[in-house]
Amino acid sequence: DQQVKQNSPSLSVQEGRISILNCDYTNSMFDYFLWYKKYPAEGPTFLISISSIKDKNEDGRFTVFLNKSAKHLSLHIVPSQPGDSAVYFCAASAKGGTSYGKLTFGQGTILTVHP
Amino acid sequence: DGGITQSPKYLFRKEGQNVTLSCEQNLNHDAMYWYRQDPGQGLRLIYYSQIVNDFQKGDIAEGYSVSREKKESFPLTVTSAQKNPTAFYLCASSINGVKGEKLFFGSGTQLSVL
Repeated sequence: DQQVKQNSPSLSVQEGRISILNCDYTNSMFDYFLWYKKYPAEGPTFLISISSIKDKNEDGRFTVFLNKSAKHLSLHIVPSQPGDSAVYFCAASAKGGTSYGKLTFGQGTILTVHP
Repeated sequence: DGGITQSPKYLFRKEGQNVTLSCEQNLNHDAMYWYRQDPGQGLRLIYYSQIVNDFQKGDIAEGYSVSREKKESFPLTVTSAQKNPTAFYLCASSINGVKGEKLFFGSGTQLSVL
């Protein structure tokens, strides 16, 4: 049962344009969301996060939007750069239960930014 | 430079063999984790440890074992009971292991079966 879904396996955009990566979740207990970026043969690196008490968080070129009623979040990258080409993972953690740092990850979306 | 070091980068396992993946961190983090990545799937949690000499099973612990004798080290053994071990294995750490903390990942080990 995939509780965090990234339904687009890949996305291709032109340099300078906006990249929008989407993520849907099914577990209503999720209350904290993170985006990680991963280059081939490397570990993921943290990009940006958002708590369920917010609907937007911005960090430079990266903005994450959260729509709790739709159980949907998105990552916007503006402007996109060729160095942004990587796999992007959406991850979530749940309130309640054992409060350890367990994350549930989506399948990932491969972003390619063309010069 | 602080970070997480995984070794080896590539590992091959013969049928019926146990293999151990190394994970060392010098970030002074209390919590450490092992995740597995398969093509087209997200990362799945194998084991985690919030403190030395204590660890807990994650979602897919069968066929794996871990130890946490030192704060800096969290080795993962893939036993012969793991029938589908071919995957990319990622070790991670976080400061205290509480919800909402960022995870810091190593560069991974690709395990393949001969």
